[in-house]
Amino acid sequence: QKEVEQDPGPLSVPEGAIVSLNCTYSNSAFQYFMWYRQYSRKGPELLMYTYSSGNKEDGRFTAQVDKSSKYISLFIRDSQPSDSATYLCAILTDSWGKLQFGAGTQVVVTP
Amino acid sequence: DSGVTQTPKHLITATGQRVTLRCSPRSGDLSVYWYQQSLDQGLQFLIQYYNGEERAKGNILERFSAQQFPDLHSELNLSSLELGDSALYFCASGGADTQYFGPGTRLTVL
Repeated sequence: QKEVEQDPGPLSVPEGAIVSLNCTYSNSAFQYFMWYRQYSRKGPELLMYTYSSGNKEDGRFTAQVDKSSKYISLFIRDSQPSDSATYLCAILTDSWGKLQFGAGTQVVVTP
Repeated sequence: DSGVTQTPKHLITATGQRVTLRCSPRSGDLSVYWYQQSLDQGLQFLIQYYNGEERAKGNILERFSAQQFPDLHSELNLSSLELGDSALYFCASGGADTQYFGPGTRLTVL
């Protein structure tokens, strides 16, 4: 069983819609969770990071962690064509910085 | 721009060869992390250095090695290259929970 599971998509939405992305993880001891955005042929860009459970909001982006279900989510409000990218969830699996990534979900926002 | 630089952008080489990938972290960052991204394996952690010392190791092959120099730049050495080593190689710097990735080196092994 993989430590992090993420549906690779693609996920196609019309401009202005809410994009909902999620990952599940296997180890309840994990505490730090991140979301990265990766445009084609570019390096991953850190969008948000959260600690433990709860919500975190940054502009149009909201990250949620539900530790009881081992489920993390990213919501993008008022989606734009420029949001078209692959979104990767990541979990910090040790104190030094070993990140375990999900497979990434490709998102396409159509005008 | 994350502030992390990687050279070269592209590398094309033959099986059995050896290559060196270079990474310069963001100013002030002591940690460097190396990742490999391939279509079948996704983005995988290889190794981490902190201020010149190896701190964490992931799924790094024995044919691969890395080091971090006193000026904090890092090099990833890949030897006896195989077709399956073709991938994007990223380095990142920053804290454990806030890693900033460079633009990557695309390695093609023919």
